Amino acid sequence: GAGVSQSPRYKVAKRGQDVALRCDPISGHVSLFWYQQALGQGPEFLTYFQNEAQLDKSGLPSDRFFAERPEGSVSTLKIQRTQQEDSAVYLCASSFRGAKLFFGSGTQLSVL
Amino acid sequence: QQPVQSPQAVILREGEDAVINCSSSKALYSVHWYRQKHGEAPVFLMILLKGGEQKGHEKISASFNEKKQQSSLYLTASQLSYSGTYFCGTAQGGSEKLVFGKGTKLTVNP
Repeated sequence: GAGVSQSPRYKVAKRGQDVALRCDPISGHVSLFWYQQALGQGPEFLTYFQNEAQLDKSGLPSDRFFAERPEGSVSTLKIQRTQQEDSAVYLCASSFRGAKLFFGSGTQLSVL
Repeated sequence: QQPVQSPQAVILREGEDAVINCSSSKALYSVHWYRQKHGEAPVFLMILLKGGEQKGHEKISASFNEKKQQSSLYLTASQLSYSGTYFCGTAQGGSEKLVFGKGTKLTVNP
């Protein structure tokens, strides 16, 4: 595709609900990253994949957060039992082997 | 592990220069610079690899001092379009994982 695509663009969830955020990277990009960005802060690393392998998940805040990329292309970030502190913009980025990151527009998650 | 950026905010008049600094307590493999405008995704500016090289992009350039584990972003003759928040992202040990600083908000006024 032309760029990194994320959906939905906005998500409102009630506390305790599960949510799934989708990322469609640029075709051919091997690496895919998830970041969480709170208002006025820098992107905080969550996890990253090289093809379908999850190489680093050290940034996932708790076991309620789970990410997958089963076929090495589209990735899904799932948050179970959402809490208010999960409210943030979730950014996905892709790259071709450690080169510059191309970011999607993000999913703004609001947990009420 | 998170790099430290300074200053936190800068206000300029069009045509003025600015320097944004990024430092780390860990040995760095590479430094990336991105700019993010309000409500938009971060956009890549440049990558610097260890070796102290300097790179340029229009009137924006950057340096990387490997020994000091620091990078600086230089914006000369600033334009209104330079307004935004600038983030440095650092990678260690050849890993692709980028850790970003808290950002420097740059405002360029007419």
